[in-house]
Amino acid sequence: EVQVVESGGGLVKPGGSLRLSCAASGFTFNMAWMNWVRQAPGKGLEWVGRIKSHTSGGTTDYAAPVKGRFTISRDDSKNTLYLQMNSLNSEDTAVYYCVAIVTGTPSHPYFDYWGQGTLVTVSS
Amino acid sequence: EIVMTQSPATLSVSPGERATLSCRASQSVSSNLAWYQQKPGQAPRLLIYGASTRATGIPARFSGSGSGTEFTLTISSLQSEDFAVYYCQQYNNWPPYSFGQGTKLEIK
Repeated sequence: EVQVVESGGGLVKPGGSLRLSCAASGFTFNMAWMNWVRQAPGKGLEWVGRIKSHTSGGTTDYAAPVKGRFTISRDDSKNTLYLQMNSLNSEDTAVYYCVAIVTGTPSHPYFDYWGQGTLVTVSS
Repeated sequence: EIVMTQSPATLSVSPGERATLSCRASQSVSSNLAWYQQKPGQAPRLLIYGASTRATGIPARFSGSGSGTEFTLTISSLQSEDFAVYYCQQYNNWPPYSFGQGTKLEIK
């Protein structure tokens, strides 16, 4: 059974930092492209960023609102994805979902497995 | 950046009736479009990919159609568990992988 489980959310002050983790199981993690998607309270879904598998180059891409502040990384030996978030502000308050592209392919990267999310609240 | 626009924002339908949700892309995304369902307090779930292919375990009452810039999600006979928010997403031109703003399907 495919599982992705996020952790690390919580309350952080504006300007602060937080690192989220996502533990994956039930699929070949080192072959999967992994994403972070967020959802502000009462709002829609917003893609945050993606890291390709190492065999696809391991490169990252980010949404404009987080570029330069957020960093995605992966540890394939631990089947774990990370999201390092710096210079946080109130607009970053959201549930953050870890999303795996498992049955999708690099040319058809639909988001087929979602974690339950972890809430990040940025407030003084 | 491709902008995805969903309509209507809210759709009220009675159980057993058909629901039709629309999604429009600001430029062609070919058939590289997915639909997701999200219930309150839950993560989104993949329903449809490739504009018309149902994901594993998705009932046959869900169907997707369209290509290019116009897409439709149809639920043929609404069950109580189908009332939720539905999002479309393009994965043709990325980054970013853009989502629509969602359609809330509510009980009439």
